[in-house]
Amino acid sequence: AQSVTQPDIHITVSEGASLELRCNYSYGATPYLFWYVQSPGQGLQLLLKYFSGDTLVQGIKGFEAEFKRSQSSFNLRKPSVHWSDAAEYFCAVGNRGSNYKLTFGKGTLLTVNP
Amino acid sequence: DARVTQTPRDKVTEMGQEVTMRCQPILGHNTVFWYRQTMMQGLELLAYFRNRAPLDDSGMPKDRFSAEMPDATLATLKIQPSEPRDSAVYFCASGFGTGAETQYFGPGTRLLVL
Repeated sequence: AQSVTQPDIHITVSEGASLELRCNYSYGATPYLFWYVQSPGQGLQLLLKYFSGDTLVQGIKGFEAEFKRSQSSFNLRKPSVHWSDAAEYFCAVGNRGSNYKLTFGKGTLLTVNP
Repeated sequence: DARVTQTPRDKVTEMGQEVTMRCQPILGHNTVFWYRQTMMQGLELLAYFRNRAPLDDSGMPKDRFSAEMPDATLATLKIQPSEPRDSAVYFCASGFGTGAETQYFGPGTRLLVL
C-alpha cells in the first residue's frame, strides 16, 4: 500500500528565508507525486506534480520540488518565502496500481514571521 | 474562472438527522472525488467517480454514507443517520483524464453534528 510521511507538523521561517518541506513516500514502483497548498478555510490548490522525466519540477508561486528515488523523497523548496505563503502544505502520492487514488500526508503548517 | 462549487458551506445538525452535501464539478471534468478532513485523520478519500460511475468507495462507511452522481453536473454525499463523529470538513474535487490528473478542490462543507 502506498503511504506518505511529512515529518514536520509545523515549521516557522522568517520572510525572505529559504524553505524546504519534507515528504517521504512509500511505494514500490514509480509513483505520481503532488504538492498541494491549503489556506485557512479554503480547499486545496495544486502547487506542482511529478509524473516522469525531469526530477526537478517547477510549480506555481515560485515553488519547486525534487524527486529522489533513492531517498523516496519529494521535498518542496522555495528560495525566498513571502508572508502570503503561510498555509498548510500537503504532499500526496498516487499510482496506476491503485487506480490513481491519491494518499495524502498529514500536512505541514507553515508560519512566516515578518 | 471555472471552480468546483459545494453547498452548503456550513451545516449544523443534530445526531440522527440526514445530511446531504452537494457538489458541482467543473464543466467538462469527468472525475469527482469526495474527501473528509479532520484534525486527527487528516485528509481521507471517501469515494470517487469517473464518467459518473463509482470507481472506489472503500474509504466510506457503507452503513450510513452514500455517494451518487445523478448527472454529470451534480455529485451528492449523504449521511443517514448522522453521528457526532461525522463532524468534519467534506471536500469535493474534480478533474479530467483517465488517471493521475490534477484535482481541483471545492471550498468544502463544514459539518457539525451535535
